[in-house]
Amino acid sequence: EPEVTQTPSHQVTQMGQEVILRCVPISNHLYFYWYRQILGQKVEFLVSFYNNEISEKSEIFDDQFSVERPDGSNFTLKIRSTKLEDSAMYFCASMVARSNEKLFFGSGTQLSVL
Amino acid sequence: QKEVEQNSGPLSVPEGAIASLNCTYSDRGSQSFFWYRQYSGKSPELIMSIYSNGDKEDGRFTAQLNKASQYVSLLIRDSQPSDSATYLCAVSPNTGNQFYFGTGTSLTVIP
Repeated sequence: EPEVTQTPSHQVTQMGQEVILRCVPISNHLYFYWYRQILGQKVEFLVSFYNNEISEKSEIFDDQFSVERPDGSNFTLKIRSTKLEDSAMYFCASMVARSNEKLFFGSGTQLSVL
Repeated sequence: QKEVEQNSGPLSVPEGAIASLNCTYSDRGSQSFFWYRQYSGKSPELIMSIYSNGDKEDGRFTAQLNKASQYVSLLIRDSQPSDSATYLCAVSPNTGNQFYFGTGTSLTVIP
């Protein structure tokens, strides 16, 4: 069964460092998302991406965040200068079409900022 | 601010019982409603979607939607210990591409 793949599963970084979280969405999916979940809290929307551009972003997704789809398969989330409060599980998700709103999540990257 | 509210629980039911999970949402224009199951340390997994008022059944799961009351629920019949997880309610508004999640209800099924 096709799945959304995320790497790495765990990332430890120092405050102020840049991190790149990587995702390979399901191949025929057109909508891509990043969500995050701080331990014990709700799944929070960060950004959605469609047709090679950001379609929507939340207040969390400030200038420190960026997304890219560099090669037609990978979908990356970059945090330029990490803060302690960026520590969370980051989930990539994809959806085949807006008319079929089944969102498939990757297994997540646990980011720890020290 | 579009809010999705759930009782965080924990909800405990004995094996074989019916578990009832509830969710309310603030955006009256919301069109699509989902229930996800999330095991501890794992990613959310879609178990049910519902789009129109009434009940929708899938195996042991029944989703119920009442748009007038802005209320959606999930019933799990014949609960099994493997159903023990956090259940997330998610709502998709009429506009935009994102999904709003509730904080989840923790369910424990006691053997």
